[in-house]
Amino acid sequence: GAVVSQHPSWVICKSGTSVKIECRSLDFQATTMFWYRQFPKQSLMLMATSNEGSKATYEQGVEKDKFLINHASLTLSTLTVTSAHPEDSSFYICSAPPSGVGQPQHFGDGTRLSIL
Amino acid sequence: GESVGLHLPTLSVQEGDNSIINCAYSNSASDYFIWYKQESGKGPQFIIDIRSNMDKRQGQRVTVLLNKTVKHLSLQIAATQPGDSAVYFCAENKLRGGSNYKLTFGKGTLLTVNP
Repeated sequence: GAVVSQHPSWVICKSGTSVKIECRSLDFQATTMFWYRQFPKQSLMLMATSNEGSKATYEQGVEKDKFLINHASLTLSTLTVTSAHPEDSSFYICSAPPSGVGQPQHFGDGTRLSIL
Repeated sequence: GESVGLHLPTLSVQEGDNSIINCAYSNSASDYFIWYKQESGKGPQFIIDIRSNMDKRQGQRVTVLLNKTVKHLSLQIAATQPGDSAVYFCAENKLRGGSNYKLTFGKGTLLTVNP
């Protein structure tokens, strides 16, 4: 149980295009979801907290107009990388706490984004 | 500043041996710690957690020890198997006002199990 699914798992696109990544909680509802970015051989860095019914909370240094987050329902959050450039290439991972905030977060299997 | 870090970036062990992965944290107000395992190309997988009111917690083949005096956390894996090869992260869950928790990850330790 408590599965978090991400789609797509891998995407390659040209510089300047926008890419949407979906994060779904398959068997539980999540009023809060989290988006992380991970560069090769580095740790996960929290980008933003996605809140159902309200605006996302972005970490310092993360451009909210660059990384658009929409928490459309209690089981879906999307991250859109707008006008993507090669430096946006990374591994993007979402998570959600099945039992509420303060409980172990369950992670999706990530989306490998490559911008040419 | 606040941080969660690891003492050893890599650890190589023989199959069947016990593994110990260490982690230091700096925020004494942290109330919850979690160990995650991340295999190549996948998201982190929850292993075990411990709250700040405990100093030891055991799971299946894994034990987490928390030493609040020196702000140190460790993950012990008994009878390490090749399938345990992965990057292990400690993470710190800090209360960030209200009911919002922020999960801060350490740098990670690459565990390699040699057959």
